[in-house]
Amino acid sequence: GAVVSQHPSWVICKSGTSVKIECRSLDFQATTMFWYRQFPKQSLMLMATSNEGSKATYEQGVEKDKFLINHASLTLSTLTVTSAHPEDSSFYICSARGQGEGSPLHFGNGTRLTVT
Amino acid sequence: AQKITQTQPGMFVQEKEAVTLDCTYDTSDPSYGLFWYKQPSSGEMIFLIYQGSYDQQNATEGRYSLNFQKARKSANLVISASQLGDSAMYFCAMGEVVRSGANSKLTFGKGITLSVRP
Repeated sequence: GAVVSQHPSWVICKSGTSVKIECRSLDFQATTMFWYRQFPKQSLMLMATSNEGSKATYEQGVEKDKFLINHASLTLSTLTVTSAHPEDSSFYICSARGQGEGSPLHFGNGTRLTVT
Repeated sequence: AQKITQTQPGMFVQEKEAVTLDCTYDTSDPSYGLFWYKQPSSGEMIFLIYQGSYDQQNATEGRYSLNFQKARKSANLVISASQLGDSAMYFCAMGEVVRSGANSKLTFGKGITLSVRP
C-alpha cells in the first residue's frame, strides 16, 4: 500500500533556530499533502495544505511566515519551523492520499519537535 | 463547517470482548466521508476504516466495523475480539468522499483512549 515517510522522527533544537521536516510519498505521487500539529493528548489540528508547484494554503491562525511549506515535487513536501520557540514544541505529522478510488489518507510517522 | 464529536472518557475493555467507540458528526455537505484512525503511543496514525455517506452498507475491515446511522449522524467504531495491541488512541475524522481528485483534508475529533485489559 501507499507509504508516507516523514523525517526526522524527533528533533531537539535551541530557541531561535529553524528546523526542517520532510514528508515523502514513497510509492505514489501526491499533488496535495497536509500538515497537522498535535499537542499531547489532543486532536490533530490542520495547519496547512501543501500544493505541488504552488503556494500552500494555511488554516486560520497559522503564521505562514513562521511555518514555511515547500512542495517542490510530486513526492516531497517540507515544513520549516522558523525561529523556533518553546511553544512550537509539538508533534507534527503530514499526510497524503494514495492514488485511485477508495484510497484513504496515509500519514507519516510524525516528528516530535522539542525547542529548548 | 464540519464538526466531529467524541465525548467518551477513557474506555476499558476486557481482552477478547467487543467494544464500541462513539462518534457523532455535523456537516451541511450532502456527501462526505467518515474515517477512523488508530494512534498508538508511538504516534503514527494508522488508517482503520472508511465509510462514504452514500454507501448503502456499513463498512467492515477485519475486526473493525463501522455502525453508520446517517439520520442520527453517528459513525461508531466497533472492535470485535479486542486484543492487547488495540490499546491506543482512536480518532474519528470527516472529509470528502474518497474518490479520485477529492480534497482529502480531514477534520478530527478529540479522540478516545482505549485500554484493553488482559
